[in-house]
Amino acid sequence: GAGVSQSPRYKVAKRGQDVALRCDPISGHVSLFWYQQALGQGPEFLTYFQNEAQLDKSGLPSDRFFAERPEGSVSTLKIQRTQQEDSAVYLCASTRGGSYNSPLHFGNGTRLTVT
Amino acid sequence: AQTVTQSQPEMSVQEAETVTLSCTYDTSESDYYLFWYKQPPSRQMILVIRQEAYKQQNATENRFSVNFQKAAKSFSLKISDSQLGDAAMYFCAYRSDDMRFGAGTRLTVKP
Repeated sequence: GAGVSQSPRYKVAKRGQDVALRCDPISGHVSLFWYQQALGQGPEFLTYFQNEAQLDKSGLPSDRFFAERPEGSVSTLKIQRTQQEDSAVYLCASTRGGSYNSPLHFGNGTRLTVT
Repeated sequence: AQTVTQSQPEMSVQEAETVTLSCTYDTSESDYYLFWYKQPPSRQMILVIRQEAYKQQNATENRFSVNFQKAAKSFSLKISDSQLGDAAMYFCAYRSDDMRFGAGTRLTVKP
């Protein structure tokens, strides 16, 4: 497709369940970012890939969060043993290159609700 | 770590008027870029404008322009001739390696 695609668009999980959120970046985009956006807040950085390499995972809030991009294209953000504080919109973005002037192209996000 | 501060949680403007949204940032880097993104209720983040830190000239995109004050680490967004479709959350962002966002300003446009 022409843009960044995220699935599912909505996810409801019971506390303690594991979830997997998928991101399909724009074809050929080298860099991929994950953000967590709580209601009424700005996106908070989680992690960043350049091709298949995870260059920065300093924003992952705990070891329950894990992201991968094994072939340098599709990425999956996995959250184990979900907690209520994990409820948020998870945004994925990609850029063509690694240079700073490349704007991020965002998907529509996955809204995760943990009950 | 870099931080981005938007001190105006909400702003309101009359249709056709001009509004300025504030943003300050903190960094020790010399090479970076600054961006303004718009997020309507659909959640899609849309790039509004970007500024290269080493350029003195302020960026302009149609009705959108910035006032970039590098020494003061300030990067405000001016929207001229405001339209109803401009109503959204606006986020200021800083990028050196990864990209960091401010908390956002909710802009309301009154008809």
